[in-house]
Amino acid sequence: DTEVTQTPKHLVMGMTNKKSLKCEQHMGHRAMYWYKQKAKKPPELMFVYSYEKLSINESVPSRFSPECPNSSLLNLHLHALQPEDSALYLCASSHTGGSGYTFGSGTRLTVV
Amino acid sequence: SQELEQSPQSLIVQEGKNLTINCTSSKTLYGLYWYKQKYGEGLIFLMMLQKGGEEKSHEKITAKLDEKKQQSSLHITASQPSHAGIYLCGAALIRDNYGQNFVFGPGTRLSVLP
Repeated sequence: DTEVTQTPKHLVMGMTNKKSLKCEQHMGHRAMYWYKQKAKKPPELMFVYSYEKLSINESVPSRFSPECPNSSLLNLHLHALQPEDSALYLCASSHTGGSGYTFGSGTRLTVV
Repeated sequence: SQELEQSPQSLIVQEGKNLTINCTSSKTLYGLYWYKQKYGEGLIFLMMLQKGGEEKSHEKITAKLDEKKQQSSLHITASQPSHAGIYLCGAALIRDNYGQNFVFGPGTRLSVLP
């Protein structure tokens, strides 16, 4: 298995909703990442997990809460989002040495 | 400033023409990745280069990493409308004490006119 699987592919949520994005890989990668991509911009790093521990938080608002329950799964919990949070959210994984970066196809999030 | 720079920012070519996109880093690259993205869609992995001087090809797309490992070029031969999209370079760069971090260039928007 050489893929990163993200679910759902599309999500529409209200500003008072709580939802979660899921990411899964079975390549034995011990580093996992969340990126946010706005229209016409490159992806921007949000969080990095290394060996299931949060190692980088790029000053992301607390309404985004990451979770890495095991070495294969990465979640992004969403609560009280704003319309400006609408974007494509990409998950990625890699070996901790930096090789083998693999991106999922993303979750298109719309906040209404 | 951007850790990765790409040029040109956008490119419009006639079908059948060759083109080159460049990606430049001010730091040594530990793995340079090229991706293609259609508007609103996920990233499509094209190829990855690690060794200085390395060159890889897939169909009509060739990518090279220069000897000093600070610049890469992506060359498309005989472009087709299906090549249209945004081309992003991405690289693992050393980041403080957190090991390597993956960053993207700003992207090059390619349009191919039939």
